[in-house]
Amino acid sequence: QVQLQESGPGLVKPSETLSLTCTVSGGSISSYYWSWIRQPPGKGLECIGYIYYSGSTNYNPSLDSRVTMSVDTSRNQFSLRLSSVTAADTAVYYCARKSTGGWCFDYWGQGALVTVSS
Amino acid sequence: DIQMTQSPSTLSASVGDRVTITCRASQSISRWLAWYQQKPGKAPKLLIYKASSLESGVPSRFSGSGSGTEFTLTISSLHPDDFTTYYCQQYNAYPWTFGQGTKVEIK
Repeated sequence: QVQLQESGPGLVKPSETLSLTCTVSGGSISSYYWSWIRQPPGKGLECIGYIYYSGSTNYNPSLDSRVTMSVDTSRNQFSLRLSSVTAADTAVYYCARKSTGGWCFDYWGQGALVTVSS
Repeated sequence: DIQMTQSPSTLSASVGDRVTITCRASQSISRWLAWYQQKPGKAPKLLIYKASSLESGVPSRFSGSGSGTEFTLTISSLHPDDFTTYYCQQYNAYPWTFGQGTKVEIK
């Protein structure tokens, strides 16, 4: 059974960089696409972008200038960096795997709440 | 970006009721639509993909239909575990976008 687990600081100061890592267990990170999705408290879901195990990426244009994703196949991990954060970036951040049925998501991490505050 | 609009925002129903949630896309998305169930404090769970395909392990009381711009999620007989929030997601055009959610509450 594939499992995903987000890790990283739960509190980030405004203007600094949010960094999260997703560790995949129970399966290989290879041959799949992996995504980051976020959900502000009490609100809906927003796709941040995705990365292939080879390292190719595609980011949501609304966040493109601030997002960087990377993958480490040796550790079965992929990561998210979001720069110049503001309070609007406060959200639960999920990592997820692209389903074989298309660009929806069949495995999700439990989510990591990141609060942007001084 | 393609806008996804769900209706209703809140639905009140009883155990055993048949309920239908609608999701409308701002432009045609063919059948590239998924439905998720999200319980409080948990990650979304994939229920339906490609508009009507049931994800493995999902009970058969859940079904999806539609194409183009209008889609529905139907729960044939509500179980106590089904009272939570549901989201649709289009994956016809990037960036993938979600509806705002429909909360199914106990009447």
